[in-house]
Amino acid sequence: EIVMTQSPATLSVSPGERATLSCRASQSVSNKLAWYQQKPGQAPRLLIFAAFTRATGIPARFSGSGSGTEFTLTISSLQSEDFAVYYCQQYNNWPPWTFGQGTTVEIK
Amino acid sequence: EVQLVESGGGSVQPGGSLRLSCAASGFIFSSYWMNWVRQAPGKGLEWVASIKQDGSEKYTVDSVRGRFTIFRDNTKNSLFLQMNNLRPDDTALYYCARSWSAGYFEYRGRGTLVTVSS
Repeated sequence: EIVMTQSPATLSVSPGERATLSCRASQSVSNKLAWYQQKPGQAPRLLIFAAFTRATGIPARFSGSGSGTEFTLTISSLQSEDFAVYYCQQYNNWPPWTFGQGTTVEIK
Repeated sequence: EVQLVESGGGSVQPGGSLRLSCAASGFIFSSYWMNWVRQAPGKGLEWVASIKQDGSEKYTVDSVRGRFTIFRDNTKNSLFLQMNNLRPDDTALYYCARSWSAGYFEYRGRGTLVTVSS
């Protein structure tokens, strides 16, 4: 089973600032990595797939990078609606499909 | 518009059973893998089960194997999760999600809550 580890657990950022979230896989997942955003009381929303491809309707301030075992989600200029929990997920080696434990982006 | 509507959750005692349903619309259901993902209260996301387009491949997480069964009815655009011998640690919000070629998950529903408690 591939273990996904996200850091930091909590990120405190001021609106307008850049946020950088990390996700590490216990072994290579190639580029088969997705990022999701989840707000309280809502289902997860797909942001990024294939490590760097934005899903339909996702603003350009969200970008993904990395391959192999190290991945990054960058939010270039945080908007109020971006404060949420973010999860990474690998879909290269399955089953199981595995998620990171999440990073909470909170208002500083 | 793609829609996935989960139903069937509820409160049940340990050892009980529930059948979750997911009604799909707005896309060609039979072209997608379908999945169940759960989220325990205040916790992260956990993959539970997946099924291939034609039902020929099914997978479940180790913790539910032998207790949960995923199946689908492509004629009714519906996905199901039969949950038997439920345990308190199965308590969670269960989401239905579609995926293209066993890849990333796309969620559209609000989930259905399963509570297992005596």
